[in-house]
Amino acid sequence: QKEVEQDPGPLSVPEGAIVSLNCTYSNSAFQYFMWYRQYSRKGPELLMYTYSSGNKEDGRFTAQVDKSSKYISLFIRDSQPSDSATYLCATSIYNFNKFYFGSGTKLNVKP
Amino acid sequence: DADVTQTPRNRITKTGKRIMLECSQTKGHDRMYWYRQDPGLGLRLIYYSFDVKDINKGEISDGYSVSRQAQAKFSLSLESAIPNQTALYFCATSDRTGGSSGANVLTFGAGSRLTVL
Repeated sequence: QKEVEQDPGPLSVPEGAIVSLNCTYSNSAFQYFMWYRQYSRKGPELLMYTYSSGNKEDGRFTAQVDKSSKYISLFIRDSQPSDSATYLCATSIYNFNKFYFGSGTKLNVKP
Repeated sequence: DADVTQTPRNRITKTGKRIMLECSQTKGHDRMYWYRQDPGLGLRLIYYSFDVKDINKGEISDGYSVSRQAQAKFSLSLESAIPNQTALYFCATSDRTGGSSGANVLTFGAGSRLTVL
């Protein structure tokens, strides 16, 4: 079993839709949870990170972690065509500096 | 200029050739990583280095070697390239202390696309 599981999609939505991207993880020791966005032919760029459980909001993006169910979510409100990319979830243990990635979900937002 | 620079960006080579991918960073981070990305498999760790004298194997190190020439430079070598090493390779860095964000997160380069014929 992989440390982090992520539905690969692709996910296609109309512009303005609310998007929900999800991952599950297996190790309860994970403390940091990250979302990376990767445009085609580019490197992943950090979108958001959260520590432990709870929600974190940044503009149209909300990251949510439920440690009891080992579930990570990223919500995108009012999705835009520029949000079309592959979204990677990742986890790590504090100060251990080893990172575990999901396989990525490809999102297409149609104008 | 990019914080993490990878060269070359694209390379086509033949089976059996030696290839070196180079990475340099200006973030002042002490930790550097090499990942490989394949469709459907996500990012897989090849090697990582926590400082100049520290080199560690990742989950798929066979067929690869690395050199940490300085805090800012970390190169990946394929001694004898084979077709199944065709992939997108990423260098990444992180800060041992978590930096200003307080979080241990990775900063990636733009990638090196390698094709082995």
